[in-house]
Amino acid sequence: QKEVEQDPGPLSVPEGAIVSLNCTYSNSAFQYFMWYRQYSRKGPELLMYTYSSGNKEDGRFTAQVDKSSKYISLFIRDSQPSDSATYLCAMRALSWGKLQFGAGTQVVVTP
Amino acid sequence: ETGVTQTPRHLVMGMTNKKSLKCEQHLGHNAMYWYKQSAKKPLELMFVYSLEERVENNSVPSRFSPECPNSSHLFLHLHTLQPEDSALYLCASSQDRGDRGTDTQYFGPGTRLTVL
Repeated sequence: QKEVEQDPGPLSVPEGAIVSLNCTYSNSAFQYFMWYRQYSRKGPELLMYTYSSGNKEDGRFTAQVDKSSKYISLFIRDSQPSDSATYLCAMRALSWGKLQFGAGTQVVVTP
Repeated sequence: ETGVTQTPRHLVMGMTNKKSLKCEQHLGHNAMYWYKQSAKKPLELMFVYSLEERVENNSVPSRFSPECPNSSHLFLHLHTLQPEDSALYLCASSQDRGDRGTDTQYFGPGTRLTVL
């Protein structure tokens, strides 16, 4: 079993729709959770960073962590074609140390 | 230049060639990383340098040789690679605060490597 599971997609949504992305994980020690966005031919850039369980909102983006279910989510409201990218989840157990990444979900927002 | 830069952006090499990838960070960070990104696979951490000392080497074949001459520069020396080594090689940097944790990693754009 992979340590972090993420559906590779592609996930295709019409402009203005809500994009829902998620990752599941097996290591209950993970406490720090991140979402990265990666455009084609670019490196990943950090979108959201959360610690432990709960919700975090930043503009059109909402990150949720459910540690009891070992499940994290990213929601993108009012999606735009510029949101078309691959979204990577990442997590680690301590405030330092190796990040464990998911394989990424490709999102396509169609005008 | 800002952020993390990588050169070259694209590289095609034969299995007998020797080449080097270069990474430079302009963020004042003290830790640098090499990752390998293959299609449909999670990022694989290859090497970590903190304060110019290698602190992690994730069972990477010896045909990959890292070098960190100072906290701003990181190299990945390549020799006698295999076709399965073709991938996007990403460099990242962060601020390592010791017991107080490691800050966010910032990534460069990557070098797309093709081994023929």
